[in-house]
Amino acid sequence: GAVVSQHPSRVICKSGTSVKIECRSLDFQATTMFWYRQFPKQSLMLMATSNEGSKATYEQGVEKDKFLINHASLTLSTLTVTSAHPEDSSFYICSARERGGLGQPQHFGDGTRLSIL
Amino acid sequence: GENVEQHPSTLSVQEGDSAVIKCTYSDSASNYFPWYKQELGKRPQLIIDIRSNVGEKKDQRIAVTLNKTAKHFSLHITETQPEDSAVYFCTAMDSNYQLIWGAGTKLIIKP
Repeated sequence: GAVVSQHPSRVICKSGTSVKIECRSLDFQATTMFWYRQFPKQSLMLMATSNEGSKATYEQGVEKDKFLINHASLTLSTLTVTSAHPEDSSFYICSARERGGLGQPQHFGDGTRLSIL
Repeated sequence: GENVEQHPSTLSVQEGDSAVIKCTYSDSASNYFPWYKQELGKRPQLIIDIRSNVGEKKDQRIAVTLNKTAKHFSLHITETQPEDSAVYFCTAMDSNYQLIWGAGTKLIIKP
């Protein structure tokens, strides 16, 4: 149980392209999803928290116009990296928290490796 | 806000020996502490968690201890195997119900 599906797993594209990443909870409802960024050999850095039906809450230093988040249903959240540049290249991981209380575990997607040329 | 520190950054142990990873947290209001294992290029996987109303939890070769007074929690892996090699992260859930991550420990199991 508690499977999170994230697509695509890898994206290579030219500078200036917008890239959309999907995060789905397959067998549970997730009122809250999280988007992280991870650089090589570093810990996960929380970018934003997304609640179903409301605007995402962004962490300090994360540009909301650059990283658009939509959480339209209890099983789907999307992150769009707009006009991506080489410095946006990173490993992006989503996670979903099970419904049933704020202290529930988070389950992670497989991540998306984004490479901007 | 909450701050989580994790040590060591790298741990190398002989196969069959035990491994211990230690973390400290700063916010006494934190009450949930999951541990994640991440293999290279893959997702973090929840391996064990502990809530503040217990001091120890065990699941086969893995155990976690929590000292609320000292704000310390530790991961113990016994009888280590090659497949235990990975990066391990301790986390603490803060008062905003967000996970605060430690810097990670790269565990190397030597054959």
